Amino acid sequence: GAVVSQHPSWVICKSGTSVKIECRSLDFQATTMFWYRQFPKQSLMLMATSNEGSKATYEQGVEKDKFLINHASLTLSTLTVTSAHPEDSSFYICSAGRQVEDIQYFGAGTRLSVL
Amino acid sequence: GEDVEQSLFLSVREGDSSVINCTYTDSSSTYLYWYKQEPGAGLQLLTYIFSNMDMKQDQRLTVLLNKKDKHLSLRIADTQTGDSAIYFCAERKAAGNKLTFGGGTRVLVKP
Repeated sequence: GAVVSQHPSWVICKSGTSVKIECRSLDFQATTMFWYRQFPKQSLMLMATSNEGSKATYEQGVEKDKFLINHASLTLSTLTVTSAHPEDSSFYICSAGRQVEDIQYFGAGTRLSVL
Repeated sequence: GEDVEQSLFLSVREGDSSVINCTYTDSSSTYLYWYKQEPGAGLQLLTYIFSNMDMKQDQRLTVLLNKKDKHLSLRIADTQTGDSAIYFCAERKAAGNKLTFGGGTRVLVKP
């Protein structure tokens, strides 16, 4: 149990386009999902906390209008990188938490390359 | 501060034990976690320990927590080549459910 699916695993897009990444909890309901960004050979940086049915809470320095987060159901959260630019190229990872335990389960990550 | 720190690199021979260390600064941490990340993949939860515990063992993995010194370690017994990966420790504070990650320790297992 506790599987988190993230799609796509890799996306290449042109500068100026928008990209949507999906994060799904497959076998549990996740009231809270988290979005992280990871640069090569670095640690994970929390971007935002997503709660079902409410607005996401963004970390300091993360542009809300640039990284749109929607958590419309207990099993799905999406991250949309709007008007992507080469500096947005990174590895984006989501995680989901179950209410019954204090653990975050991670998706496999999405590698975004903006040309 | 709220830093979580780890050594960058560990090299170990196959069959030996590996010990990965982590220090944290926030004494209000409730849970501490160890995650494993293989190249190009997400994070796999290995084990976790509640802050009122000193030790937790799960098969080849042993977690030691010294709350006084704010020091966490992960020991991998009989290290295998498949254990080569980056290992992250993370802390969760009493308030909220956010995790703060260390920089990761790259473990290389040599045959």
